[in-house]
Amino acid sequence: ETGVTQTPRHLVMGMTNKKSLKCEQHLGHNAMYWYKQSAKKPLELMFVYNFKEQTENNSVPSRFSPECPNSSHLFLHLHTLQPEDSALYLCASSGVQGGDGQPQHFGDGTRLSIL
Amino acid sequence: DQQVKQNSPSLSVQEGRISILNCDYTNSMFDYFLWYKKYPAEGPTFLISISSIKDKNEDGRFTVFLNKSAKHLSLHIVPSQPGDSAVYFCAASSNSGYALNFGKGTSLLVTP
Repeated sequence: ETGVTQTPRHLVMGMTNKKSLKCEQHLGHNAMYWYKQSAKKPLELMFVYNFKEQTENNSVPSRFSPECPNSSHLFLHLHTLQPEDSALYLCASSGVQGGDGQPQHFGDGTRLSIL
Repeated sequence: DQQVKQNSPSLSVQEGRISILNCDYTNSMFDYFLWYKKYPAEGPTFLISISSIKDKNEDGRFTVFLNKSAKHLSLHIVPSQPGDSAVYFCAASSNSGYALNFGKGTSLLVTP
């Protein structure tokens, strides 16, 4: 398998549930990212990990908790979400954080719906 | 406040003609610009990029032009093909950071 893989592709959960989104990259990259895309809005950066260390938290509410156990895997743990958190969540990876000529490669996303 | 703007939500072009997608930015610290293409139910796919030290970058049918003084970039697709029909996102970042700032996208439809 190559590229960036996200699971699940679709997730429906209640506001009191706890679930996790998973991202795996097979590109040998060192940086991984979580983005949120809400309807009619641009992609918003949520978190950045570089060599397993979190280097950016873009003012994301604590009900979203990222985890990066190694350079190939990234998780987004969800708990007590709100209806406005329904969105497409995209994972990306790149060779170096912020490096010129190092475009980010995206997974196909998880479509999250909060009931 | 949005730093990257794509003011045309949609564009329709005939097959074989040129498609021109535009993007404006407000942050003068941006020095790396990218275009992504997105099909429904798929993630964005990297298409082409340009560094601020250049004003043009070409890759096959795709050319990106950068006008730093106007803080404007454009993507030219020629000749356009029906398979080019997708949403195109413009993104920008500054060398001191890593965050990509995205526009809202332009939906391109190439008709036969």
